[in-house]
Amino acid sequence: DTGVSQDPRHKITKRGQNVTFRCDPISEHNRLYWYRQTLGQGPEFLTYFQNEAQLEKSRLLSDRFSAERPKGSFSTLEIQRTEQGDSAMYLCASLSPGPLPLYNEQFFGPGTRLTVL
Amino acid sequence: TQLLKQSPQFLSIQEGENLTVYCNSSSVFSSLQWYRQEPGEGPVLLVTVVTGGEVKKLKRLTFQFGDARKDSSLHITAAQTGDTGLYLCAGGSNYKLTFGKGTLLTVNP
Repeated sequence: DTGVSQDPRHKITKRGQNVTFRCDPISEHNRLYWYRQTLGQGPEFLTYFQNEAQLEKSRLLSDRFSAERPKGSFSTLEIQRTEQGDSAMYLCASLSPGPLPLYNEQFFGPGTRLTVL
Repeated sequence: TQLLKQSPQFLSIQEGENLTVYCNSSSVFSSLQWYRQEPGEGPVLLVTVVTGGEVKKLKRLTFQFGDARKDSSLHITAAQTGDTGLYLCAGGSNYKLTFGKGTLLTVNP
């Protein structure tokens, strides 16, 4: 399977714990995105990388959230001191390279469902 | 802030019926994508429209992009139970996507 993969698919944690999610994009895609989706909403942009550089972060990404893409391949999203309001689906997407990257056709992974008790 | 409004929010129909869902924006996007999402899964790309007035067909699904590139519609002919899902539109600009809240479609047998 050469699609976007995410791990774990589900995570249940207690409030105050730290969690880390991993995303492996499509291999030739140099842009990688993180989104958060809550019930009844569409995905909301959190941050994105071009290769290893983090180019933009949403105001939704509080200082408890950090994302990395150290070698320009896989990425991790860490949430420190989780809160119940962090419960959501965390989606990763990737986009092919180029100045006109197929009109923003981002391909999504299956997501990580986080539940904070 | 660019916003995408989708309507209706919920739609429940019988198998075999036709339906249209809408996506309206306050701004112009360089591209517009439609995605379908099933519970517990990530969105799956259905189509990308770029040119104002563009119409694309994907089997029983017809997508239209408005002349002003600010609105779009998705029409499904003879809906099937397998069409059930959350239909999301997303506007693209500057390498980012802005999503609407989606239309949750239920096709009953």
